[in-house]
Amino acid sequence: DGGITQSPKYLFRKEGQNVTLSCEQNLNHDAMYWYRQDPGQGLRLIYYSQIVNDFQKGDIAEGYSVSREKKESFPLTVTSAQKNPTAFYLCASSSDRAQPQHFGDGTRLSIL
Amino acid sequence: AQRVTQPEKLLSVFKGAPVELKCNYSYSGSPELFWYVQYSRQRLQLLLRHISRESIKGFTADLNKGETSFHLKKPFAQEEDSAMYYCALTGGNQGGKLIFGQGTELSVKP
Repeated sequence: DGGITQSPKYLFRKEGQNVTLSCEQNLNHDAMYWYRQDPGQGLRLIYYSQIVNDFQKGDIAEGYSVSREKKESFPLTVTSAQKNPTAFYLCASSSDRAQPQHFGDGTRLSIL
Repeated sequence: AQRVTQPEKLLSVFKGAPVELKCNYSYSGSPELFWYVQYSRQRLQLLLRHISRESIKGFTADLNKGETSFHLKKPFAQEEDSAMYYCALTGGNQGGKLIFGQGTELSVKP
């Protein structure tokens, strides 16, 4: 089903390499979010954006970067500075800060 | 510190038994509380939110500000309720970002 599309579903990173995870939404939502999900730790916020061309760091932003050039797109780059990138990454969006978030299917990132 | 705690990593019950998934929170203002659910091979989705005061799939949750809790309850568990459940909160100064608990895996046995 549509709404939020994350790609790829699986991604492998070599040491020292930057990789970019895609998140696209067709819900016309202003706010978008990136979470990292690790076993036993729930979801932790990496970055969020409430409007185009603006974004804020979440709780675990180190080693990650984002951009928000278009309303429908919020790509996440996992840089080589992120020493423990292996995780499941979830993207979400909401129409505004007061509304529930809608989630994508996620991207599983592993290290080669 | 703002925090959501789900003390049970795994909760296993038999079909037809009552179920209660615990959620406690720490927040200095007036939070909004949610329960999200992730069924096997499906994406994370909203189950219910406290301001709606509604019952979804037989589940209810009451916000207890005195005990800072938002436990999820269902009187008679069904096998299809087996899933991962996350409690989450947001507040007026959070910019819409959610703070999640660690999650509780509910297993309903036949």
